[in-house]
Amino acid sequence: SQQGEEDPQALSIQEGENATMNCSYKTSINNLQWYRQNSGRGLVHLILIRSNEREKHSGRLRVTLDTSKKSSSLLITASRAADTASYFCATGSGGSNYKLTFGKGTLLTVNP
Amino acid sequence: NAGVTQTPKFQVLKTGQSMTLQCAQDMNHEYMSWYRQDPGMGLRLIHYSVGAGITDQGEVPNGYNVSRSTTEDFPLRLLSAAPSQTSVYFCASSYATSGGANEQFFGPGTRLTVL
Repeated sequence: SQQGEEDPQALSIQEGENATMNCSYKTSINNLQWYRQNSGRGLVHLILIRSNEREKHSGRLRVTLDTSKKSSSLLITASRAADTASYFCATGSGGSNYKLTFGKGTLLTVNP
Repeated sequence: NAGVTQTPKFQVLKTGQSMTLQCAQDMNHEYMSWYRQDPGMGLRLIHYSVGAGITDQGEVPNGYNVSRSTTEDFPLRLLSAAPSQTSVYFCASSYATSGGANEQFFGPGTRLTVL
């Protein structure tokens, strides 16, 4: 069963704008990760945030985690056409550092 | 490093045929996993392994077998292919540390069609 659910399912913006994607989950987690998937390719890890962290940054990416609301957000600032991809959140729970449960993803389109 | 490699990239099977999807990693990762990705469904875990000789079931294991005889290889076997197994299959690996969870490294995927 899906643990994380991304919102929106699809997002279309202009180059230079910021993109925000949200992820909600149902059960307690140890960590939450965000991945990117370009069309027809494998997934690439973007950022990991642990349950005791509230915010992390990596380049143009900013991830927040609110464990009380069981939600996370991924912000991509100053988007580029190359950011066009599907973005997935994945949660790890219990004693599993390797068993991830993925959401259905947000398809981001950045128009030049 | 080649990272995580998968073969074949594409495969067409007839219902009832069997085949093995290959996965190898050269990063000496302890953990390896198989996922399937269907349209609108995200990724679902099929089987996983925490080391050579140790495997366990994920969310959707029926119709699939795995084995882990070496750290590097984690093949996925379809015993009797069914149209419902038409999907894109991804292999992933990750390393273990005392700090907890780590990123997973994904292969490029195998696109399987069962007629």
